[in-house]
Amino acid sequence: QVTLRESGPALVKPTQTLTLTCTFSGLSLRDSGMCVSWIRQPPGKALEWLARIDWDDDKYYSTSLKTRLTISKDTSKNQVVLTMTNMDPVDTATYFCARMQTGSSNFDYWGQGTLVTVSS
Amino acid sequence: DIQMTQSPSSLSASVGDRVTITCRASQTISSYLNWYQQKPGKAPKVLIYAASSLQSGVPSRFSGSGSGTDFTLTISSLQPEDFATYYCQQSYRTPYSFGQGTKLEIK
Repeated sequence: QVTLRESGPALVKPTQTLTLTCTFSGLSLRDSGMCVSWIRQPPGKALEWLARIDWDDDKYYSTSLKTRLTISKDTSKNQVVLTMTNMDPVDTATYFCARMQTGSSNFDYWGQGTLVTVSS
Repeated sequence: DIQMTQSPSSLSASVGDRVTITCRASQTISSYLNWYQQKPGKAPKVLIYAASSLQSGVPSRFSGSGSGTDFTLTISSLQPEDFATYYCQQSYRTPYSFGQGTKLEIK
């Protein structure tokens, strides 16, 4: 059974750095073709893809946010970490992590999401 | 970057209706198109992947078609549990992108 769970602060101040952790089970980022992405959704708005990390440590980022994002993995802990620098109130959103396998190329398992509010 | 445009943005329909949602990509994406359903306060759930493949466990009233730049999601006979927001998403290349969503409401 595949599960993913996001964790991190619920509130951050403007200009701070956000660090989110996705802890997963039932999948391994040692397996060829396995990928984990971060996706966010501002309240009442559409989904926005942020970043992806692959089993072989390849990394991909949103064009508009790539200067602020870093994605990494700790395979031994079954975790993927996303950092986003210089947070702004417009970054207020629910942040999801999700699994993709390159063979099927869809997000088939998602975490429940974690709401991050940016406010002073 | 590839832009995804969905229409309509919202739709009112009745139980038993047949509904179609369209999604257009700004450039060809072959069949790398997925459809998701999202209910309030929940994570999205994949319904259709690779444009027309039904995800395991998803009712057969959901179907997808298209290739290249134009795609459709059809619900053949709306059920009460289908009232939700639907998103298309291209997985042709990163950066991945989603449509702006179609909110399906009860008439």
